Amino acid sequence: NAGVTQTPKFQVLKTGQSMTLQCAQDMNHNSMYWYRQDPGMGLRLIYYSASEGTTDKGEVPNGYNVSRLNKREFSLRLESAAPSQTSVYFCASSPGLVAETQYFGPGTRLLVL
Amino acid sequence: AQKITQTQPGMFVQEKEAVTLDCTYDTSDPSYGLFWYKQPSSGEMIFLIYQGSYDQQNATEGRYSLNFQKARKSANLVISASQLGDSAMYFCAMRGHTGGFKTIFGAGTRLFVKA
Repeated sequence: NAGVTQTPKFQVLKTGQSMTLQCAQDMNHNSMYWYRQDPGMGLRLIYYSASEGTTDKGEVPNGYNVSRLNKREFSLRLESAAPSQTSVYFCASSPGLVAETQYFGPGTRLLVL
Repeated sequence: AQKITQTQPGMFVQEKEAVTLDCTYDTSDPSYGLFWYKQPSSGEMIFLIYQGSYDQQNATEGRYSLNFQKARKSANLVISASQLGDSAMYFCAMRGHTGGFKTIFGAGTRLFVKA
């Protein structure tokens, strides 16, 4: 049971570099999410996709872009990484926006120097 | 605006005892959902329990129960018979209807279970 998978698990970037975080789910869920988790804080929603073909901003979208490539995949792109984007990034999915839980991936730890 | 508050940065509990982790929330939505997640030191987020705002009874899942007091806007997690494996970070979260069903998380409570 793969559930939600994320790649890479860990990444180091230099300021100004770009990269894409990949997320895929095999549960046929409609909704997918990207969160970031900073020390001492809970998760904060960056972007979400209610269903295939739609994306919306969360609490902290600045500096990020997303693509809902198909029903399975939802990627997060950092166009020009900044040290403030050093964080752990979690992807999650749920059957729909009003589901009783979200299923989380293992996280990607990103360090921007 | 929606808000989740967890006022206990850290808690200690003796193994086999019960512990309550506090969570208060603020929302103007008439309908909303409340969640608790566990994050062990390995980092993954594990769903524990869900309570809908219109549910008549408090949610229970095994050793976890949610003490939902709607008038007080509190949704405390009760863990009965604590185990060493319960040592982890615990997050309370809420999803309202306003603003597109976004889920917001509290800052978390770190629970330490002592042998």
